[in-house]
Amino acid sequence: GAVVSQHPSRVICKSGTSVKIECRSLDFQATTMFWYRQFPKQSLMLMATSNEGSKATYEQGVEKDKFLINHASLTLSTLTVTSAHPEDSSFYICSAFDPGQGAGNQPQHFGDGTRLSIL
Amino acid sequence: GENVGLHLPTLSVQEGDNSIINCAYSNSASDYFIWYKQESGKGPQFIIDIRSNMDKRQGQRVTVLLNKTVKHLSLQIAATQPGDSAVYFCAENNWGGGNKLTFGTGTQLKVEL
Repeated sequence: GAVVSQHPSRVICKSGTSVKIECRSLDFQATTMFWYRQFPKQSLMLMATSNEGSKATYEQGVEKDKFLINHASLTLSTLTVTSAHPEDSSFYICSAFDPGQGAGNQPQHFGDGTRLSIL
Repeated sequence: GENVGLHLPTLSVQEGDNSIINCAYSNSASDYFIWYKQESGKGPQFIIDIRSNMDKRQGQRVTVLLNKTVKHLSLQIAATQPGDSAVYFCAENNWGGGNKLTFGTGTQLKVEL
């Protein structure tokens, strides 16, 4: 249980293109999902918290207009990198925790990431 | 806290030996800790977790130890296997902080045959 799926797994596109990444919870409903970015040989950095039916909460230094997040249903959050440039190239990973696993702290479950390469 | 660097610490162990991976955290308000395993090109995979009211928890071949006094967390892997080769991250969570995770630097575990 608690499977999180991301799509696409890899994107290569030209500078200036907008790219949409999907994150789905396959066997549970997630009112909250998280988006991370990871550069090579580095740790995961939280970008934003995606809240179903409301605006996302962005971490300090993350541009809201650059990274658009939409969480329109309990099983889907999308991250759109607008007008992507080479410096946006990174590994983007989403996660969610299954509130159905019980009260209190529960681990976040991660998708397999999206490798974004901007030429 | 978060230590982000260009070089992952590496731990090399012989197959069959026990591995110990350490992690220091900075937020004394953190009350939940998780170890994740990340293989190349994949997302982190949950290994084991521990709440702050415990100091030890065991799983299958893995044990997590928590020392809140010095804000230290460790992951012990018994009888390390080649399939254990990956990057291991500790993560801390403050339930009152919106369930956000803060990841540690990560340790590359290499299992030598």
